[in-house]
Amino acid sequence: ETGVTQSPTHLIKTRGQQVTLRCSSQSGHNTVSWYQQALGQGPQFIFQYYREEENGRGNFPPRFSGLQFPNYSSELNVNALELDDSALYLCASSRLLDSMNTEAFFGQGTRLTVV
Amino acid sequence: AQSVTQLGSHVSVSEGALVLLRCNYSSSVPPYLFWYVQYPNQGLQLLLKYTTGATLVKGINGFEAEFKKSETSFHLTKPSAHMSDAAEYFCAVSGLGQGGKLIFGQGTELSVKP
Repeated sequence: ETGVTQSPTHLIKTRGQQVTLRCSSQSGHNTVSWYQQALGQGPQFIFQYYREEENGRGNFPPRFSGLQFPNYSSELNVNALELDDSALYLCASSRLLDSMNTEAFFGQGTRLTVV
Repeated sequence: AQSVTQLGSHVSVSEGALVLLRCNYSSSVPPYLFWYVQYPNQGLQLLLKYTTGATLVKGINGFEAEFKKSETSFHLTKPSAHMSDAAEYFCAVSGLGQGGKLIFGQGTELSVKP
């Protein structure tokens, strides 16, 4: 067990709706990264948050947004859901110090289905 | 830019046989390389990582990998497969100054036959 918890574990939404996924990072970690894993694919980097600010973003549209809170927990928000947003969303926490990052510990993921 | 290619989306071995999962990478900065394992409906667990130093890296569950810069490879091996090794395996690359952002390969599903 990594100490990274995600909620909810499963979620079904309708196309066009908005969704918020949550992640509690491991104690002592100050960085949270979010990944999207479509069925049968490797995880793809969405963005990373460090000290409550976005610290890098992958090739995802602006309707994917996030927050990091003072306790280093994080939210991923997706607006105007599309069918292709159906995927496993993974949160990873790590410690970033002087651009050197410790290993990332992943949560169990949230399975989002858009119908 | 960085990328990872995993050769073979599916590998099947017999219990007790050698496991070899192939990974080649491309990186414009010195790479950090990782292997993760994913069991069905679960998150990713780190098997091993290479950052600097010794090029042969030992990980958990008897797995090891060797960083070969000249071949831009980081293949994962295990001398003797167990039934419990059946899972999806992902190779990933990051790099100095990348802040730990991981670029993953497509994954290799390992099946172990009794």
